[in-house]
Parts: sequence; structure tokens; C-alpha cells
Amino acid sequence: DAGVIQSPRHEVTEMGQEVTLRCKPISGHNSLFWYRQTMMRGLELLIYFNNNVPIDDSGMPEDRFSAKMPNASFSTLKIQPSEPRDSAVYFCASMGLYEQYFGPGTRLTVT
Amino acid sequence: GENVEQHPSTLSVQEGDSAVIKCTYSDSASNYFPWYKQELGKRPQLIIDIRSNVGEKKDQRIAVTLNKTAKHFSLHITETQPEDSAVYFCAASTGSSNTGKLIFGQGTTLQVKP
Repeated sequence: DAGVIQSPRHEVTEMGQEVTLRCKPISGHNSLFWYRQTMMRGLELLIYFNNNVPIDDSGMPEDRFSAKMPNASFSTLKIQPSEPRDSAVYFCASMGLYEQYFGPGTRLTVT
Repeated sequence: GENVEQHPSTLSVQEGDSAVIKCTYSDSASNYFPWYKQELGKRPQLIIDIRSNVGEKKDQRIAVTLNKTAKHFSLHITETQPEDSAVYFCAASTGSSNTGKLIFGQGTTLQVKP
């Protein structure tokens, strides 16, 4: 099992540009979570999906953030337009029965 | 809203000593409590978890205890080794149904001195 896969691993972009982060969950897992990690705010849940349906997006900071899960093996998190304060590590995690397993993360830097 | 408090924020121990990290939660419906270890620049990794129907769980040098009445749970690491140095996060599920949503503590940076 390859585990949760995320791409890109690093992203550097200029303010105002669109950023798309990608995630492939573990096969057979029905739930997918997007987190953001910063020193100041720790690990924050942005949004999560059950069976490809968004369940709770209350953690999405602004309308600039959107997430989709078109099928059971793929999800995207998009930021448009990006701002310097969006700089963080973004993790995707998938869940089987109880346990959540994290992907390697995408380190986003917005200049 | 739901909250998880974690203490201490930093912990330094000598190799071979024990380390204890404590967390309290606010949602009385929480029933799943995982612990994650995150090394610098890496992903959080699940190291142990406990569900509300048990009070203690052990896995080699790691143990977790849960007190549902007091709404707190703890991670115990015995015979610490330098490779245990990392940031440790506790988490608690929210709500009684298994949605998977977790609230994380702020993390404890553990340093094990050789």
C-alpha cells in the first residue's frame, strides 16, 4: 500500500496566483480530510469528505479556498487568489474505520 | 466549541527516563483518542490510540490512559530514547457518531537528551 499521496510536495507561488493541491487517499478509505499546519495555529481541519461528499467545511478560512472530491481516489484543495498568509504545510489524511493516516504534506510558500 | 488542551508544550528528559504528556477535552461525546508523533519536516504518524470503552492501552514502551469522568487522557513513554524526540499531538473525536472529525491539541515538543 502506497499510503496517502500528495502533490506537489513543495509549491512556491506569487501572491494572487491560483494554487491547486492534490491528494490520493488510501484505497478503500471512505473519508478524506484536509488540514493546514502553521506554527501559530497548529494543526487545523479545513474540510472533510465522507464517500466523496463534503460533510463539514467550517474550517475553510475564506471563500478563496475550495475543495472537491470528484471520485473516491482523488481530491483537490484550491486557493484562488493566494496570499502570503496562506503559507503553511497542507496535509491530506484518509480514514478507514477509526484511524487517520496522513500524507507527506505540501509545503506552500506564497511570496 | 470543542477544545483539546495539551500540556506541557515542551518537555526535556534524560535518555532512559519516562515522559508523560497530558490532554483534556471538552466534548463529553468524544469516544476516540489518538496520539500522533511528528518528526521535523515529516507527517504526523499515528503511534497509539484508545477508544472510550477501555481505560488503558499499551504498546511496548508506549501507553495511553483515559479517564472519561475527568475528560482527560495521557501518553506515557518509558525508557525514552533519543529517537523519541519529536512533537507529539493528542486528539479527540467530536460527537458520538464516527464522522472521523478530530480536534488536535497544540502539541508537545519532547527532547530526549543522550
